[in-house]
Amino acid sequence: AQSVTQPDIHITVSEGASLELRCNYSYGATPYLFWYVQSPGQGLQLLLKYFSGDTLVQGIKGFEAEFKRSQSSFNLRKPSVHWSDAAEYFCAVPGGGADGLTFGKGTHLIIQP
Amino acid sequence: DVKVTQSSRYLVKRTGEKVFLECVQDMDHENMFWYRQDPGLGLRLIYFSYDVKMKEKGDIPEGYSVSREKKERFSLILESASTNQTSMYLCASSLFRGGANVLTFGAGSRLTVL
Repeated sequence: AQSVTQPDIHITVSEGASLELRCNYSYGATPYLFWYVQSPGQGLQLLLKYFSGDTLVQGIKGFEAEFKRSQSSFNLRKPSVHWSDAAEYFCAVPGGGADGLTFGKGTHLIIQP
Repeated sequence: DVKVTQSSRYLVKRTGEKVFLECVQDMDHENMFWYRQDPGLGLRLIYFSYDVKMKEKGDIPEGYSVSREKKERFSLILESASTNQTSMYLCASSLFRGGANVLTFGAGSRLTVL
C-alpha cells in the first residue's frame, strides 16, 4: 500500500532562514505527490503538486518542492521563511479510496523571531 | 474557487448523544470525504462517497455513518458519541474519479465529547 513518511514531527526555524521539510513516499508507480499546509484552527490548503514533467515544482506562498525518484523523496523548500509560515505541513500521495489521499503525520513548523 | 463549507466549527456534546456534522461543496464535485485528525496520527479517512447515495468505508469507519442524499452535501453521523471521538473532523471534495485529484478541504469541525 502506498504510504508517506514525514520524519520530522517538529522543526524550528528562525525568521528569514531557509527551510526544508522532508517527505519520503512508498508508491508502486510514478507517484502523484502533494504538499498541503494547515494554519492553526483551519482546514488544509494545497501548496503544490507534482503529477509529471519538471521535477522542481513551484507552489503558492513562495514554496517549491523537488521530486527525486532515486531517493523516493519530495522535499518542500522555501528560501526565506516568514512568521506567517508557522503551521502544520502535510505530504500526501493518492490512496484511501475514490481517488482520495493518504497523508503523512505532518510536520509542525515553528518560526523563531 | 471551490468552497467546502462545514457548518459547525466547534461542537460540545455529551456521551451517547447523536451528532451530525454537515459539509456542503459548491462546485459540483463527484467525490466527498470525511477525515479525522488527531495529534501525532495525521489525517485518517473515515468514509468517502463518489456519487449520490453511494458510500464506502475508509480506514476507521467504526462508530460513524454517513449520508449523501444530494451531490453537494455529505453528512457525518455519530450515532452515539463517545469520548474517544473527540477530534477535529475535516471534510473534503474532489472533482472526479480516476487519476490524480486535488482535494479541497473545509475549515474543519472540532468536536468535544464530554
